[in-house]
Amino acid sequence: EDQVTQSPEALRLQEGESSSLNCSYTVSGLRGLFWYRQDPGKGPEFLFTLYSAGEEKEKERLKATLTKKESFLHITAPKPEDSATYLCAVLNYGGATNKLIFGTGTLLAVQP
Amino acid sequence: DVKVTQSSRYLVKRTGEKVFLECVQDMDHENMFWYRQDPGLGLRLIYFSYDVKMKEKGDIPEGYSVSREKKERFSLILESASTNQTSMYLCASSQQGWAYEQYFGPGTRLTVT
Repeated sequence: EDQVTQSPEALRLQEGESSSLNCSYTVSGLRGLFWYRQDPGKGPEFLFTLYSAGEEKEKERLKATLTKKESFLHITAPKPEDSATYLCAVLNYGGATNKLIFGTGTLLAVQP
Repeated sequence: DVKVTQSSRYLVKRTGEKVFLECVQDMDHENMFWYRQDPGLGLRLIYFSYDVKMKEKGDIPEGYSVSREKKERFSLILESASTNQTSMYLCASSQQGWAYEQYFGPGTRLTVT
């Protein structure tokens, strides 16, 4: 069964304390992996798409990487405004067009 | 910027009422989606549409129907609302094709009493 697992469920960091969030997946064939940020009471905001193992994408303090079994979202020197839930989703071959499988997210809290 | 708007941010309805949730996107996207999001369960796909008047069931379509009469508008209908449909409802849109990202609206928090 296709599955996406995110860890940890929650993470508390001090401002400036770098860390990584993990997204592991088991799908029949990866077509793309997506990272989103979600603030409380709002819709997810698109961050990155990764298509193949070894690919990396960066945006400000965030860097996403992809291997054949997992993706990491590295957060360098986080600030309180980086506090949010980070969602990972995968799109696999053989599924319906653009049908995503979501993980349950990692709730990140960055304390000043 | 892609913009996806939803008709209401908060909605309170009574059991048995018919409920309409509307979504509009302004980027001429072919695909549109309705999800619900519940704590511990993540986002689950209810229905999606890849063209006007076309629809496909997602993972949890029971108790819901959809309508897409115009390309920019996708409606979710709860024919007879029940308390277990209390949730956050999210609409999304994306381009047609290989693997384009989905853009989400702000969500509608629906409470059924």
